[in-house]
Amino acid sequence: EVQLVESGGGLVQPGGSLRLSCAASGFTFSSYEMNWVRQAPGKGLEWVSYISSSGSTIYYADSVKGRFTISRDNAKNSLYLQMNSLRAEDTAVYYCARSETVPAFDIWGQGTMVTVSS
Amino acid sequence: SSELTQDPAVSVALGQTVRITCQGDSLRSYYASWYQQKPGQAPVLVIYGKNNRPSGIPDRFSGSSSGNTASLTITGAQAEDEADYYCNSRDSSGNHHVVFGGGTKLTVL
Repeated sequence: EVQLVESGGGLVQPGGSLRLSCAASGFTFSSYEMNWVRQAPGKGLEWVSYISSSGSTIYYADSVKGRFTISRDNAKNSLYLQMNSLRAEDTAVYYCARSETVPAFDIWGQGTMVTVSS
Repeated sequence: SSELTQDPAVSVALGQTVRITCQGDSLRSYYASWYQQKPGQAPVLVIYGKNNRPSGIPDRFSGSSSGNTASLTITGAQAEDEADYYCNSRDSSGNHHVVFGGGTKLTVL
């Protein structure tokens, strides 16, 4: 079964850091581009970041650039999002999503909740 | 960056046809993809490219595009189609970003 499973979410204080992980299974992870997408409570979807299959090309939304870092380990079939200098407005469910052709995100994880609050 | 605009809410009678639209300058250059999201669940891709359905998506879902507007059409809406629908596409500013529409809440009456 093709599957993405996120982990690492939780409650963090403003200014703090958190590292999200996304474990892939059921497909050749190293062949696919990956993305992080977030959804604030009661709000719509917001694209956060993209990484190419090799990891050589990376893009970030302006709202997170300079604070978040996307990476991947193809040997471990895993995607990561290092989030630093977190703000209240970063509170959201974070999804990892596979894309064979951007912007078609064909497989999504179940999401992990990040809450930034004092 | 580009923006994609969707109507916040649309309703359709059971068994009837409904069109959900997405407007934005980027759609003049790039196809939209469409996602269905039910409460408490992750989004599901329903249409991508010119008019492609992933495996398992019923053929009552179809996509089209004209000018700066992309459309998702559900022909013969079912009760289980009640959900939020989001479009997305590439940003047209050349920054390789992705943009999502604000979403449309579809109610099946």
